Amino acid sequence: DQQVKQNSPSLSVQEGRISILNCDYTNSMFDYFLWYKKYPAEGPTFLISISSIKDKNEDGRFTVFLNKSAKHLSLHIVPSQPGDSAVYFCAASAKGNEKLTFGTGTRLTIIP
Amino acid sequence: DGGITQSPKYLFRKEGQNVTLSCEQNLNHDAMYWYRQDPGQGLRLIYYSQIVNDFQKGDIAEGYSVSREKKESFPLTVTSAQKNPTAFYLCASSIDRGTGMEKLFFGSGTQLSVL
Repeated sequence: DQQVKQNSPSLSVQEGRISILNCDYTNSMFDYFLWYKKYPAEGPTFLISISSIKDKNEDGRFTVFLNKSAKHLSLHIVPSQPGDSAVYFCAASAKGNEKLTFGTGTRLTIIP
Repeated sequence: DGGITQSPKYLFRKEGQNVTLSCEQNLNHDAMYWYRQDPGQGLRLIYYSQIVNDFQKGDIAEGYSVSREKKESFPLTVTSAQKNPTAFYLCASSIDRGTGMEKLFFGSGTQLSVL
C-alpha cells in the first residue's frame, strides 16, 4: 500500500522555465511533508519542508504548496537550472513520529 | 565536520553469507534509520532506533538485523535469509523531539551486490 505517491517517474524541463513536481498521499495522519533531492550513488539531501498548518513555504527558487483537502503537494522550482537535474523524493511523517514514508521519486532533467 | 558515515561504499555478498553495513554519526542525534532503495522504487524503511539499546522493525525488516549499543553507531546486518539483498542501502539520523517534524540527514549509501 503506497501511502505517498509520485505518479510521474520522469520530467524534462527547459533551463530557465518552471519545474513542477507532484506528490499525493493517502494517510490523513500525515502532517509534515518534505522534499529531498538525490544524485546517483549519493544519499538524499533535504530541500524544503512544510507543516500541515501552512499551505505554502518558499525558500529561494523552491516553493512547496500543500492542498490538504486534496491530499496533494507540489514542488515548484523556478527558474530551473542544470544542477537541478536529479531524482526528487516526496516524504511524509505523522504527528509525533519522525519516521518518514517516501514516494517513488521523480527524475527531473533540465535541458540546457 | 558533523555528518553520517557509511562504509563500505560497495559490498559484495556470496550466497549464504551474512554481511554488515556500518553507519556512524557525530551529529548527536537520538534517532537512526536504515532505508533500502531499489531501482524505480522509493526508499523503504528496514529498521529504526529512537534510543540506545532499542530498535523497531520498519516495513521490510525480514532478513535483516540491527543493533544500537552506542548512540553514534547503528550497524545493519544483511543475513542469508534475505533472498534479494541487491540494493542501495541508506542510513539516516534525526533529532527525536517527538514532534514528527524533524528532517532526516542521510549518509552517502552502500551499494550491496550478490556474487
